[in-house]
Amino acid sequence: GDSVTQMEGPVTLSEEAFLTINCTYTATGYPSLFWYVQYPGEGLQLLLKATKADDKGSNKGFEATYRKETTSFHLEKGSVQVSDSAVYFCALRGGGTSYGKLTFGQGTILTVHP
Amino acid sequence: SQTIHQWPATLVQPVGSPLSLECTVEGTSNPNLYWYRQAAGRGLQLLFYSVGIGQISSEVPQNLSASRPQDRQFILSSKKLLLSDSGFYLCARGGRDGYTFGSGTRLTVV
Repeated sequence: GDSVTQMEGPVTLSEEAFLTINCTYTATGYPSLFWYVQYPGEGLQLLLKATKADDKGSNKGFEATYRKETTSFHLEKGSVQVSDSAVYFCALRGGGTSYGKLTFGQGTILTVHP
Repeated sequence: SQTIHQWPATLVQPVGSPLSLECTVEGTSNPNLYWYRQAAGRGLQLLFYSVGIGQISSEVPQNLSASRPQDRQFILSSKKLLLSDSGFYLCARGGRDGYTFGSGTRLTVV
């Protein structure tokens, strides 16, 4: 079945550092890929998405490129801020009919220090 | 806009007591709806999903049940809570852009 693997956390960075959170997936067909962010005590919010190979999703300075050849969707940001501290989830929606169910990675906790 | 309401935001319940968490959706009809649980420091576990009124699929056997009495209403219930039911419960609506999540209910069973 479909699966998503994220890099182990937690990740701790200083403000203005470069961020990469790795995400790889296993799926049949052509899945859509997503990154969600969860701030403390809140629900998840869609950060960015990509629906086909080589698409680049971007939002709030974050980027991720759908790489079919490496089955990856790594999240990057050139200069993190304290306000980026949150839990980040990579997710996929299979290309088949699965009632729109998303498969999530285990989440990566990011802490950014001033 | 499409909004998901969850309540209550926080709940403390004794072991053995019943539970009812409600999720309502605005701005869409016949949505796919989901209940997830997030244990402390862990990822998301899909509990139930529903593609229509009265249609519930359970992903894992457990102490909880779900119902969908109306198109835009999704309820998570338990007859007798266990300590292991503690966690952060999230309702979500499926759509073209993935999910829209509610703000969650923090349940502590004591």
